[in-house]
Amino acid sequence: EAQVTQNPRYLITVTGKKLTVTCSQNMNHEYMSWYRQDPGLGLRQIYYSMNVEVTDKGDVPEGYKVSRKEKRNFPLILESPSPNQTSLYFCASSLSVGQQYEQYFGPGTRLTVT
Amino acid sequence: AQSVTQPDIHITVSEGASLELRCNYSYGATPYLFWYVQSPGQGLQLLLKYFSGDTLVQGIKGFEAEFKRSQSSFNLRKPSVHWSDAAEYFCAVGFSYGGATNKLIFGTGTLLAVQP
Repeated sequence: EAQVTQNPRYLITVTGKKLTVTCSQNMNHEYMSWYRQDPGLGLRQIYYSMNVEVTDKGDVPEGYKVSRKEKRNFPLILESPSPNQTSLYFCASSLSVGQQYEQYFGPGTRLTVT
Repeated sequence: AQSVTQPDIHITVSEGASLELRCNYSYGATPYLFWYVQSPGQGLQLLLKYFSGDTLVQGIKGFEAEFKRSQSSFNLRKPSVHWSDAAEYFCAVGFSYGGATNKLIFGTGTLLAVQP
């Protein structure tokens, strides 16, 4: 089944404790992206990757890192999480980098930072 | 700057009634327009998309949307709502600039409740 998977689905952590949220897609997609969803703000892009070893900042990149060493994986790293990073996070992928390509979303990771 | 507005934060309709969710955008060129649905605890699923051609597009689950360039709108409609349609709906505009050639700008969402 074609899908985007994220782990963990739920995470509660403390301020400053490094964490990684994994994202994997099995559709051989070139483009991958991370979003955060906050009430009243919709989804905002954190980082995106147009292909292996090619990543760039989205609209709200502060406090996050990403890497794209393999085409299928695009982990999101919070080196020192803070309470304002409490949010619902979505990974998405699409076939290629054109805006006409539909993005497929993972199920989301709900992160709470205390 | 590009933006997407969904003026209705929350809508309640009765099962079997018709539905229209509003979406307005601000973008200088011809937009790529999408509607996504998010069911509770789920990720986002694409309902339909508009790129060009016929301005009335059909999607999954009986939804349709109409692109009106003069009004900068892309409203989502369904003639008869089912209880399973209760979810949050997001309108999005896709555009390219610089290197971010697959950027989506999302509206803030409309939460749909369906009364029996």
